[in-house]
Parts: sequence; C-alpha cells; structure tokens
Amino acid sequence: EAGVTQFPSHSVIEKGQTVTLRCDPISGHDNLYWYRRVMGKEIKFLLHFVKESKQDESGMPNNRFLAERTGGTYSTLKVQPAELEDSGVYFCASSHLLGGGDQAQYFGPGTRLTVL
Amino acid sequence: AQTVTQSQPEMSVQEAETVTLSCTYDTSESNYYLFWYKQPPSRQMILVIRQEAYKQQNATENRFSVNFQKAAKSFSLKISDSQLGDTAMYFCAVRRGNAGNMLTFGGGTRLMVKP
Repeated sequence: EAGVTQFPSHSVIEKGQTVTLRCDPISGHDNLYWYRRVMGKEIKFLLHFVKESKQDESGMPNNRFLAERTGGTYSTLKVQPAELEDSGVYFCASSHLLGGGDQAQYFGPGTRLTVL
Repeated sequence: AQTVTQSQPEMSVQEAETVTLSCTYDTSESNYYLFWYKQPPSRQMILVIRQEAYKQQNATENRFSVNFQKAAKSFSLKISDSQLGDTAMYFCAVRRGNAGNMLTFGGGTRLMVKP
C-alpha cells in the first residue's frame, strides 16, 4: 500500500508569489489533514477534510491560505500571496473515516516551503 | 484546548542503552488518545506507539514502551536497546476521542543515538 505522498518536497519562492502544495492520501482514506511546522516550533493543525468537505478549518491562519479536495481524493493547499512567516514544513496526513478511536494518522514526508 | 509539552529539546544515548523521553499534556477530555511519532532525518514521520487513555496497561511495541501516568498527565516513551536507526525527532501528540479529530503536538525531542 502506497503511503501519503506530497509534492513538491521543496519550494523556494519570493514574497508575494503563489505556491500550491499537493497531497495524495493513502487510497481509501477519507480523512485528510494539513499541518505545518514553522521555525522549529510545534507542529500545528491547519484543517481537516472528510472526503471533499472541510470538517474543521480552525487552524488556517488567514485567508491567504486556500485548501481544496475536489472529488475527495488528493488535496491542494494554495498560499497566495506568500509572506515570510509562511516558511516552514507543511505536512499532510490521512486516516480511515471509520474504525476505532485508536486510529492513527499517517503522515507524508512534508513540503519544505521557503519564502524569501 | 489541549496542550503537549516535551521538556527535552535534545537528548543523546549510547547504542544499546535505554533512554526515556518525557511528555506531559493537558486536556479537559475524558476520552482521548496519546501518540508518539518519530521523524528520522529522511523526514517521513511514522507512528511509534499509541495509548488509549482509558486503558491502564502501558502500551508496548517491541523495544518501545510508554509509561502512562494518567493522574499526572504524563506519557513518557522508553526506548530499550537503542539502535542507530532510532536517531530522529520524536513528537508526542494527543487527540480527542473521535478518530477524526486533529492531533495536538509537543515541540519535539531530537534524539541522537551514538555508536
């Protein structure tokens, strides 16, 4: 079974530009999450999809961030326009929708975003 | 709100020895789950071990075990017979009961296993 994949692995952009990150969850996982780790701090939750619907987007920092999951498969996270403080590692995770409460989230390798 | 604190930013251990990583958390939930994740230098974060809060028995996965002290809200990770491949960032996390809820992470502990 293929794991969670993310693209690109690295992105370097200038302030004011737009960047789109992509996440492909594990096949059959309806839950999809975005997290980010900024400047060596804690990994912070951004939002949660159940299939194509946004279940919880309480962690999205501002309206420069737009996440989509059309068709309930892969997801994109767009940052427009990017600011210096957006630099960090963006992680995607997925899990089954049903099952026991002890289900774990499976993480992708992350996208390292650097805004200059 | 939930919080997780990992008080040891960095640790080191000699190969084959035992090391314990600390984690304390705070939550108002009665039903929650605790996790330890490991992120090796290659960056893929993987689940090490999980614990259900209502279970008193400490979880064990091969060389990894936890010391879960519910009253003290402590969830430490013990790695026995440390191996070079255990070198990684270790993150402690808590999640409310429902499987679909978000994880709240601690700041991480960087563990170096020395030959």
